[in-house]
Amino acid sequence: EAAVTQSPRSKVAVTGGKVTLSCHQTNNHDYMYWYRQDTGHGLRLIHYSYVADSTEKGDIPDGYKASRPSQENFSLILELASLSQTAVYFCASSVDWGGSYEQYFGPGTRLTVL
Amino acid sequence: SQLAEENPWALSVHEGESVTVNCSYKTSITALQWYRQKSGEGPAQLILIRSNEREKRNGRLRATLDTSSQSSSLSITATRCEDTAVYFCATDKRGSALGRLHFGAGTQLIVIP
Repeated sequence: EAAVTQSPRSKVAVTGGKVTLSCHQTNNHDYMYWYRQDTGHGLRLIHYSYVADSTEKGDIPDGYKASRPSQENFSLILELASLSQTAVYFCASSVDWGGSYEQYFGPGTRLTVL
Repeated sequence: SQLAEENPWALSVHEGESVTVNCSYKTSITALQWYRQKSGEGPAQLILIRSNEREKRNGRLRATLDTSSQSSSLSITATRCEDTAVYFCATDKRGSALGRLHFGAGTQLIVIP
């Protein structure tokens, strides 16, 4: 069965500190995504990747960097964490269903910036 | 503004009743997907309905798609307590990067025992 795992599952960070969120998938999917979820805003795309060693900006990339060192791993990096980045972060991978893409999500990481 | 939007924002039903969540979208699509997110979990896909399809079923779930009015609905029959979740519609967008989905803010459904 498809599996996307995220670590850590929760984290408390200090303002101005560096935070790295990790994602690992065993689906053999080429496409991977990072979303943040805030109450009332649904899921907003931060960064995504089609292939290892390449990343693309999503709708809200400011303040975030992404790294895709291999097909299986995709990281989200907050170089200088801010209070506004407190949210739940989801990683997903996707597969092509004849031109449409179903996304498989991880369990999420709850990030609190103090 | 969001490319997809569910309504109502929240609703509750009693177990065994049927319920419908609606979605409106603002772009030309190749497919629309419905996802469910239970508390403390990531979203999981329920149904994918392509632009040339009008209806799709998956067990107690039925999705419809009307491309002329740019709307979709997700109906759940014989609801169960475990159907309590947030329901999202998500659209791709013709001509945009492959694999990108645009999610609405979701509808919170509570099924009362």
